[in-house]
Amino acid sequence: ETGVTQTPRHLVMGMTNKKSLKCEQHLGHNAMYWYKQSAKKPLELMFVYNFKEQTENNSVPSRFSPECPNSSHLFLHLHTLQPEDSALYLCASSQGALDTEAFFGQGTRLTVV
Amino acid sequence: SQQGEEDPQALSIQEGENATMNCSYKTSINNLQWYRQNSGRGLVHLILIRSNEREKHSGRLRVTLDTSKKSSSLLITASRAADTASYFCATDAGSTLGRLYFGRGTQLTVWP
Repeated sequence: ETGVTQTPRHLVMGMTNKKSLKCEQHLGHNAMYWYKQSAKKPLELMFVYNFKEQTENNSVPSRFSPECPNSSHLFLHLHTLQPEDSALYLCASSQGALDTEAFFGQGTRLTVV
Repeated sequence: SQQGEEDPQALSIQEGENATMNCSYKTSINNLQWYRQNSGRGLVHLILIRSNEREKHSGRLRVTLDTSKKSSSLLITASRAADTASYFCATDAGSTLGRLYFGRGTQLTVWP
């Protein structure tokens, strides 16, 4: 138990569906992150939130829409996804400062059919 | 690319042997971190080494950092079957806001 909880753990969705991934951290951290992990590729940093403000969007397609209502919760809204979006989506949190480690959730395994 | 790149991509050893994994990166950094991931799970932080440090130990782990070569190594001594996992290095690419950039990882398999 890392203090970062992601739900659901597994998700299968059609290309026309709309779904949301949820992440919650109980560590009092100021920063939260979404990463995408595909086979044979480096982890891709998708979005960064510091104190609920989005501070980084690494050219992520608009079919991925993040939401951070408070410092403890982070969502990733999904719509009109493509099969190549199938991946493990990892949420992480940290103090958002110099020399701090990240704490990861267990991930959501997403399959787009 | 700001990402670290691990080498080798895969490593297979017997229990009791040492495992060495290497990481190269491209940008200036404040720190470099190593993480471990069991199959299909989240990443777990192992160790952080600051840019002004050259070596750091934690239990059976030894990390070195050479900023002139932009490289780091992770040594796991006396490996165990339970060490089987993927190992990633991550750099902050000079950021002070805690964001990290990862490589593809090294898949370590330790045979009993």
